[in-house]
Amino acid sequence: EIVMTQSPATLSVSPGERATLSCRASQSVSSNLVWYQQKPGQAPRLLIYGASTRATGIPARFSGSGSGTEFTLAISSLQSEDFAVYYCQQYYNWPPWTFGQGTKVEIK
Amino acid sequence: EVQLVESGGGLVQPGGSLRLSCAASGFTFSNDEMNWVRQAPGKGLEWISYISSSGDTTYYADSVKGRFTISRDDAKNSLFLQMNILRAEDTAVYYCARGWRYGTQWGQGTLVTVSS
Repeated sequence: EIVMTQSPATLSVSPGERATLSCRASQSVSSNLVWYQQKPGQAPRLLIYGASTRATGIPARFSGSGSGTEFTLAISSLQSEDFAVYYCQQYYNWPPWTFGQGTKVEIK
Repeated sequence: EVQLVESGGGLVQPGGSLRLSCAASGFTFSNDEMNWVRQAPGKGLEWISYISSSGDTTYYADSVKGRFTISRDDAKNSLFLQMNILRAEDTAVYYCARGWRYGTQWGQGTLVTVSS
């Protein structure tokens, strides 16, 4: 099973600033990676698939990059609605879907 | 608009059973693979089961294999999860998620609490 590791666990950012989140896979997953956003009390929402393609309706301030074992989610200018927990998930080798443990983006 | 609505959660004693449902609308349910994913209180996401669009292929996480059964009724646009021999560690919000390799849409979840 591929293990996904996210860093940092918590990221404190001021509104309007850039946030950079990292996700590492225990072995190569090529570009078979997605990012989700989850707000308190809500379901996860798909942000990025194929490591870098924004899902329908996702603002351009969200961008994904990377391949192999190292991936990044960047939020170019944080809005109030972006403060949430973000999860990465690989789908190169499934089942199972395997998720990172999440990065909480909080207001600084 | 795509909608996934879970139901059937609640409080159950250890060793008990529960059947979750997920009602789908806004898309051709019979064409899509479906999954169940859970989230223990304050924890991350854990995939637990998959069913193919035809229903003839299913997969389970090791943590639930032999205890949980996924099924679907395309005539009713519904997905199910039969959960038996429940344990305290099964306490979680259970989400149904549309998709093959990842969740393109998710329901709002239903809370299952296993406690005496």
